Amino acid sequence: AQTVTQSQPEMSVQEAETVTLSCTYDTSESDYYLFWYKQPPSRQMILVIRQEAYKQQNATENRFSVNFQKAAKSFSLKISDSQLGDAAMYFCAYRSDDWTDSGNTPLVFGKGTRLSVIA
Amino acid sequence: DTGVSQDPRHKITKRGQNVTFRCDPISEHNRLYWYRQTLGQGPEFLTYFQNEAQLEKSRLLSDRFSAERPKGSFSTLEIQRTEQGDSAMYLCASSLGFGGGAWREQFFGPGTRLTVL
Repeated sequence: AQTVTQSQPEMSVQEAETVTLSCTYDTSESDYYLFWYKQPPSRQMILVIRQEAYKQQNATENRFSVNFQKAAKSFSLKISDSQLGDAAMYFCAYRSDDWTDSGNTPLVFGKGTRLSVIA
Repeated sequence: DTGVSQDPRHKITKRGQNVTFRCDPISEHNRLYWYRQTLGQGPEFLTYFQNEAQLEKSRLLSDRFSAERPKGSFSTLEIQRTEQGDSAMYLCASSLGFGGGAWREQFFGPGTRLTVL
């Protein structure tokens, strides 16, 4: 079974600064997807960024980028120019890429990192 | 609003009572998932559907839990004889299921927070 580990329960960052959230995972599969989800207080979870394991290039979405190290099974999220609205729980998630399946398989989540942004 | 909706948003019940939650997915999505999130933890998979067929159930889904998606649209999650350990946020998500390996985003609802007294 796959597992996802987020070793930082809480992080804080000054507004406009950069912060990196860590995630490691364990799998014996070679094809999979990795995700970062954001869960603001009392609001629903939204997808921040995704990475396909077969892609060597790290994904980037505006101020969010990842550092994907497949051999090390590491998948960190960097948030640049942090804004007050970035304050939330951030979850790292894994999804198998099963070519025999007809679509999305369930996600496996880490325990999350609570990010605070200091004005 | 065409996102995933869940009802109720909050439910307080006494131990031993039965509760039922409803999830309405995005209309064209044929995959529907239920997750449970306890305090300080990430969401954990419970079960999921492709149209009306229940494809997989987690070992977390004890025999007190049952989920249905009778017409391949909305889904219900029922918990019988609730226990204090059932207190959690129950999240629903939906996606398009498509050909093998094709990535489809899972969109989450706001969740139903259950408190068992």
